[in-house]
Amino acid sequence: GEDVEQSLFLSVREGDSSVINCTYTDSSSTYLYWYKQEPGAGLQLLTYIFSNMDMKQDQRLTVLLNKKDKHLSLRIADTQTGDSAIYFCAESINSGAGSYQLTFGKGTKLSVIP
Amino acid sequence: EPEVTQTPSHQVTQMGQEVILRCVPISNHLYFYWYRQILGQKVEFLVSFYNNEISEKSEIFDDQFSVERPDGSNFTLKIRSTKLEDSAMYFCASSRRGADTQYFGPGTRLTVL
Repeated sequence: GEDVEQSLFLSVREGDSSVINCTYTDSSSTYLYWYKQEPGAGLQLLTYIFSNMDMKQDQRLTVLLNKKDKHLSLRIADTQTGDSAIYFCAESINSGAGSYQLTFGKGTKLSVIP
Repeated sequence: EPEVTQTPSHQVTQMGQEVILRCVPISNHLYFYWYRQILGQKVEFLVSFYNNEISEKSEIFDDQFSVERPDGSNFTLKIRSTKLEDSAMYFCASSRRGADTQYFGPGTRLTVL
Protein backbone atom coordinates (compact mmCIF):
# COMPACT_ATOMS: atom_id res chain seq x y z
CA GLY A 1 0.00 0.00 0.00
CA GLU A 2 0.93 3.63 -0.16
CA ASP A 3 2.78 5.20 2.72
CA VAL A 4 4.67 8.44 3.20
CA GLU A 5 7.19 8.69 5.99
CA GLN A 6 8.69 11.78 7.59
CA SER A 7 10.62 12.45 10.75
CA LEU A 8 8.35 14.12 13.29
CA PHE A 9 10.50 16.93 14.64
CA LEU A 10 13.25 19.26 13.48
CA SER A 11 14.80 22.10 15.42
CA VAL A 12 17.09 24.70 13.82
CA ARG A 13 18.56 28.07 14.72
CA GLU A 14 17.32 31.17 12.95
CA GLY A 15 19.44 31.85 9.89
CA ASP A 16 20.50 28.23 9.42
CA SER A 17 19.19 25.96 6.67
CA SER A 18 16.48 23.41 7.43
CA VAL A 19 16.24 20.13 5.59
CA ILE A 20 13.06 18.10 5.91
CA ASN A 21 13.13 14.59 4.48
CA CYS A 22 10.40 12.32 3.23
CA THR A 23 10.17 8.86 1.71
CA TYR A 24 7.26 7.60 -0.33
CA THR A 25 6.31 4.25 -1.77
CA ASP A 26 4.31 4.67 -4.96
CA SER A 27 6.65 4.88 -7.95
CA SER A 28 3.77 5.99 -10.17
CA SER A 29 3.31 9.26 -8.28
CA THR A 30 3.09 12.10 -10.77
CA TYR A 31 3.56 15.02 -8.42
CA LEU A 32 5.07 15.32 -4.97
CA TYR A 33 4.10 18.18 -2.72
CA TRP A 34 5.12 20.11 0.33
CA TYR A 35 2.36 21.74 2.34
CA LYS A 36 2.81 23.99 5.37
CA GLN A 37 0.39 24.09 8.29
CA GLU A 38 0.62 26.76 10.94
CA PRO A 39 -1.12 26.19 14.29
CA GLY A 40 -4.90 26.12 13.90
CA ALA A 41 -4.68 26.91 10.22
CA GLY A 42 -5.27 25.08 6.95
CA LEU A 43 -2.86 23.52 4.50
CA GLN A 44 -0.85 26.01 2.50
CA LEU A 45 0.75 24.71 -0.69
CA LEU A 46 4.43 25.56 -0.49
CA THR A 47 5.85 23.93 -3.56
CA TYR A 48 5.65 20.81 -5.68
CA ILE A 49 7.82 18.85 -8.06
CA PHE A 50 6.87 16.81 -11.06
CA SER A 51 8.14 13.25 -10.94
CA ASN A 52 10.39 13.63 -14.00
CA MET A 53 12.39 16.42 -12.34
CA ASP A 54 15.12 15.99 -9.78
CA MET A 55 15.35 19.51 -8.43
CA LYS A 56 13.22 22.61 -8.16
CA GLN A 57 14.20 25.91 -6.62
CA ASP A 58 11.77 28.61 -5.57
CA GLN A 59 13.34 31.53 -3.67
CA ARG A 60 14.42 30.10 -0.28
CA LEU A 61 12.98 26.68 -1.02
CA THR A 62 14.79 23.86 -2.78
CA VAL A 63 13.13 20.53 -3.46
CA LEU A 64 15.24 17.51 -4.30
CA LEU A 65 13.75 14.31 -5.66
CA ASN A 66 15.57 10.98 -5.84
CA LYS A 67 13.14 8.84 -7.73
CA LYS A 68 15.28 5.71 -7.51
CA ASP A 69 15.28 5.85 -3.70
CA LYS A 70 11.79 7.41 -3.52
CA HIS A 71 13.22 10.19 -1.40
CA LEU A 72 12.06 13.78 -1.35
CA SER A 73 13.56 16.64 0.60
CA LEU A 74 12.72 20.27 1.27
CA ARG A 75 15.49 22.68 2.08
CA ILE A 76 14.63 26.07 3.54
CA ALA A 77 17.53 28.50 3.33
CA ASP A 78 18.00 31.23 5.96
CA THR A 79 15.25 29.80 8.17
CA GLN A 80 13.15 32.43 9.95
CA THR A 81 10.94 32.21 13.04
CA GLY A 82 7.95 32.60 10.72
CA ASP A 83 8.90 29.27 9.15
CA SER A 84 7.96 27.47 12.38
CA ALA A 85 5.11 25.16 11.37
CA ILE A 86 4.30 21.57 10.46
CA TYR A 87 5.47 20.56 6.99
CA PHE A 88 3.65 17.79 5.20
CA CYS A 89 5.03 15.77 2.34
CA ALA A 90 2.36 14.35 0.03
CA GLU A 91 2.35 12.12 -3.03
CA SER A 92 -0.28 12.26 -5.72
CA ILE A 93 -1.65 8.89 -6.73
CA ASN A 94 -3.95 8.16 -9.64
CA SER A 95 -7.02 6.66 -8.01
CA GLY A 96 -8.79 5.98 -11.30
CA ALA A 97 -11.34 7.79 -13.45
CA GLY A 98 -8.88 10.64 -13.94
CA SER A 99 -8.90 11.63 -10.30
CA TYR A 100 -5.89 11.74 -8.03
CA GLN A 101 -5.72 11.46 -4.28
CA LEU A 102 -3.01 12.81 -2.05
CA THR A 103 -1.37 10.58 0.52
CA PHE A 104 0.22 12.62 3.28
CA GLY A 105 3.00 11.94 5.72
CA LYS A 106 2.44 12.61 9.42
CA GLY A 107 4.19 15.95 9.14
CA THR A 108 7.47 17.33 10.44
CA LYS A 109 7.20 19.97 13.12
CA LEU A 110 9.86 22.60 12.45
CA SER A 111 10.85 24.71 15.44
CA VAL A 112 13.05 27.72 14.76
CA ILE A 113 15.10 28.93 17.70
CA PRO A 114 15.75 32.70 17.67
CA GLU B 1 -5.74 35.14 -6.05
CA PRO B 2 -8.69 32.72 -6.07
CA GLU B 3 -8.96 30.44 -3.08
CA VAL B 4 -11.08 27.64 -1.67
CA THR B 5 -13.39 28.77 1.12
CA GLN B 6 -15.12 26.68 3.76
CA THR B 7 -17.93 27.32 6.23
CA PRO B 8 -18.33 27.16 9.12
CA SER B 9 -14.83 27.41 10.54
CA HIS B 10 -15.94 25.51 13.64
CA GLN B 11 -19.00 23.30 14.14
CA VAL B 12 -20.01 21.76 17.44
CA THR B 13 -22.69 19.08 17.38
CA GLN B 14 -24.19 16.37 19.52
CA MET B 15 -23.53 12.72 18.75
CA GLY B 16 -26.17 11.34 16.39
CA GLN B 17 -26.93 14.70 14.76
CA GLU B 18 -26.48 15.41 11.07
CA VAL B 19 -23.96 18.01 9.94
CA ILE B 20 -23.31 19.60 6.59
CA LEU B 21 -19.93 21.11 5.88
CA ARG B 22 -19.76 23.57 3.03
CA CYS B 23 -17.06 24.44 0.56
CA VAL B 24 -16.76 26.81 -2.37
CA PRO B 25 -14.02 25.49 -4.67
CA ILE B 26 -12.02 27.69 -7.02
CA SER B 27 -14.37 28.67 -9.81
CA ASN B 28 -12.73 27.07 -12.86
CA HIS B 29 -11.80 23.87 -11.06
CA LEU B 30 -13.49 20.62 -12.02
CA TYR B 31 -12.27 18.14 -9.40
CA PHE B 32 -13.25 18.39 -5.75
CA TYR B 33 -12.04 16.55 -2.69
CA TRP B 34 -12.62 16.11 1.02
CA TYR B 35 -9.88 15.17 3.44
CA ARG B 36 -9.88 14.98 7.20
CA GLN B 37 -7.27 15.34 9.91
CA ILE B 38 -7.93 13.93 13.34
CA LEU B 39 -6.05 15.98 15.94
CA GLY B 40 -2.35 15.12 15.92
CA GLN B 41 -2.67 12.67 13.02
CA LYS B 42 -2.01 12.75 9.31
CA VAL B 43 -4.34 14.20 6.72
CA GLU B 44 -6.47 11.41 5.21
CA PHE B 45 -8.27 11.27 1.88
CA LEU B 46 -12.03 10.82 2.10
CA VAL B 47 -13.51 11.28 -1.35
CA SER B 48 -13.00 12.79 -4.80
CA PHE B 49 -15.80 14.13 -7.00
CA TYR B 50 -15.91 14.93 -10.69
CA ASN B 51 -18.68 15.49 -13.21
CA ASN B 52 -21.34 15.28 -10.50
CA GLU B 53 -20.32 11.92 -9.21
CA ILE B 54 -17.91 10.31 -6.81
CA SER B 55 -14.68 9.25 -8.56
CA GLU B 56 -13.05 7.54 -5.64
CA LYS B 57 -13.67 7.13 -1.94
CA SER B 58 -11.63 5.75 0.93
CA GLU B 59 -12.73 3.11 3.43
CA ILE B 60 -13.40 5.95 5.90
CA PHE B 61 -16.14 7.27 3.62
CA ASP B 62 -18.89 4.87 4.69
CA ASP B 63 -22.66 5.12 4.31
CA GLN B 64 -22.83 7.87 6.93
CA PHE B 65 -21.05 10.23 4.54
CA SER B 66 -22.32 11.81 1.36
CA VAL B 67 -21.21 14.60 -0.94
CA GLU B 68 -23.15 16.87 -3.20
CA ARG B 69 -22.68 19.76 -5.56
CA PRO B 70 -26.09 21.37 -5.12
CA ASP B 71 -25.39 24.29 -7.45
CA GLY B 72 -22.60 25.67 -9.62
CA SER B 73 -20.47 26.86 -6.76
CA ASN B 74 -20.95 24.85 -3.54
CA PHE B 75 -19.62 21.43 -2.66
CA THR B 76 -20.90 19.86 0.54
CA LEU B 77 -20.01 16.98 2.83
CA LYS B 78 -22.85 15.55 4.91
CA ILE B 79 -22.41 13.28 7.89
CA ARG B 80 -25.78 11.71 8.63
CA SER B 81 -25.39 10.60 12.23
CA THR B 82 -22.20 11.91 13.79
CA LYS B 83 -20.05 9.82 16.09
CA LEU B 84 -17.46 10.97 18.60
CA GLU B 85 -14.70 9.70 16.32
CA ASP B 86 -15.86 12.02 13.53
CA SER B 87 -14.34 14.90 15.49
CA ALA B 88 -11.62 16.22 13.20
CA MET B 89 -10.60 19.04 10.90
CA TYR B 90 -12.24 18.59 7.52
CA PHE B 91 -10.49 20.08 4.50
CA CYS B 92 -12.00 20.68 1.10
CA ALA B 93 -9.70 20.88 -1.90
CA SER B 94 -10.11 21.47 -5.61
CA SER B 95 -8.03 21.12 -8.76
CA ARG B 96 -8.55 22.18 -12.34
CA ARG B 97 -7.84 18.75 -13.72
CA GLY B 98 -7.36 15.46 -11.93
CA ALA B 99 -3.58 15.47 -12.06
CA ASP B 100 -3.21 19.14 -11.21
CA THR B 101 -2.22 20.68 -7.90
CA GLN B 102 -4.91 20.49 -5.25
CA TYR B 103 -5.62 23.72 -3.40
CA PHE B 104 -6.96 23.40 0.10
CA GLY B 105 -9.45 25.46 2.03
CA PRO B 106 -8.83 26.61 5.61
CA GLY B 107 -10.79 23.69 7.05
CA THR B 108 -13.81 23.20 9.28
CA ARG B 109 -13.14 21.96 12.78
CA LEU B 110 -15.92 19.53 13.72
CA THR B 111 -16.38 18.72 17.39
CA VAL B 112 -18.82 15.95 18.27
CA LEU B 113 -19.92 15.88 21.91
